[in-house]
Amino acid sequence: GAGVSQSPSNKVTEKGKDVELRCDPISGHTALYWYRQSLGQGLEFLIYFQGNSAPDKSGLPSDRFSAERTGGSVSTLTIQRTQQEDSAVYLCASSLLLAGVVPYEQYFGPGTRLTVT
Amino acid sequence: EDQVTQSPEALRLQEGESSSLNCSYTVSGLRGLFWYRQDPGKGPEFLFTLYSAGEEKEKERLKATLTKKESFLHITAPKPEDSATYLCAARNTGGFKTIFGAGTRLFVKA
Repeated sequence: GAGVSQSPSNKVTEKGKDVELRCDPISGHTALYWYRQSLGQGLEFLIYFQGNSAPDKSGLPSDRFSAERTGGSVSTLTIQRTQQEDSAVYLCASSLLLAGVVPYEQYFGPGTRLTVT
Repeated sequence: EDQVTQSPEALRLQEGESSSLNCSYTVSGLRGLFWYRQDPGKGPEFLFTLYSAGEEKEKERLKATLTKKESFLHITAPKPEDSATYLCAARNTGGFKTIFGAGTRLFVKA
């Protein structure tokens, strides 16, 4: 079946502009995550969605970052007034919803490479 | 603070030379320990989930093991196609966050 898809695959923007990154999760996956991966670094958690609500936004670096999810499916990560330090690969992942104490594995999209000039 | 540390940062092996990758974790109540493989320019690909100390899982040339403080990914007789970055991640109790290590870059030379 179809995996997680993200668009665009690459985005170059000027400092100060706003950008929107899109994620289409696997059908039926209620949980959705956004991560940021800088060159040579591990994944930095940004936000978690359970359906359309976001019970954990603790990883968003500043108030310039926001995310929403509609219809329990597509999610958009928006970065306002981009800065050079926002340059990174933004990864989206989805999973089945946590049930009891068993965490489900996450399936990742290919990422969006964001370059702020 | 919850933390996941992987070592070594990079590992170079000859084809057929078995070795192990280490993942040390400090989390407030481990709910799951995950291993992923990441190829350049792609998102991580799920390999294994381990839930309790003593558990082991295998897939082809890979075997993951778990203790109360560490997890190991053993690679037996690696091939060049095993070259990738291997990521370890931990999920703690009571949270939604999965904490990732920085990864081990594995290079296998023919």
